[in-house]
Amino acid sequence: EDQVTQSPEALRLQEGESSSLNCSYTVSGLRGLFWYRQDPGKGPEFLFTLYSAGEEKEKERLKATLTKKESFLHITAPKPEDSANYLCAVPRSGGYNKLIFGAGTRLAVHP
Amino acid sequence: DAGVTQSPTHLIKTRGQHVTLRCSPISGHKSVSWYQQVLGQGPQFIFQYYEKEERGRGNFPDRFSARQFPNYSSELNVNALLLGDSALYLCASSLPGEETQYFGPGTRLLVL
Repeated sequence: EDQVTQSPEALRLQEGESSSLNCSYTVSGLRGLFWYRQDPGKGPEFLFTLYSAGEEKEKERLKATLTKKESFLHITAPKPEDSANYLCAVPRSGGYNKLIFGAGTRLAVHP
Repeated sequence: DAGVTQSPTHLIKTRGQHVTLRCSPISGHKSVSWYQQVLGQGPQFIFQYYEKEERGRGNFPDRFSARQFPNYSSELNVNALLLGDSALYLCASSLPGEETQYFGPGTRLLVL
């Protein structure tokens, strides 16, 4: 069965304290892994798409990496404005534009 | 360029009523998907439409239905509302042949 699991559920960091979020997935024939950022009460904001193991993408303080079983979202020297819920998703096996999401990691960065 | 738009932003209904939510995709995007997000969980797939045809349905009851119009906008309808239907309803669009989806701001539905 297709599945996405994110850890930790919640993460509290001090400003400047780097860390990583984990996304483990089980799906037949990966056609992409997606990271989104979601602020409270708003829709998910697209961050990255990764397609193959070994691929890395960066945007400001965020870097996403992909292996055959999991993805990491590394946050370097975070700021309070990086506080959000970070969601990971993969397309369903045999499906198109049908994403399976993890529950997310709620990140709080304190000054 | 305008992103995905959804209306209304908030809605309060009572049990047994029906509701219609609307979505306009990004210009040039022909695929629209609907998701339900309950508090504390990730979004769950409800429907996907492409070229006005249903191309996929998630594990939701028949009370949920949707359609896509010639201009690629879409409506999600929910009949006989239950308290458990209270959630953030998200619409996402994508370019033909691409998996990356872009989400709208969502419609917050509260069922009393």
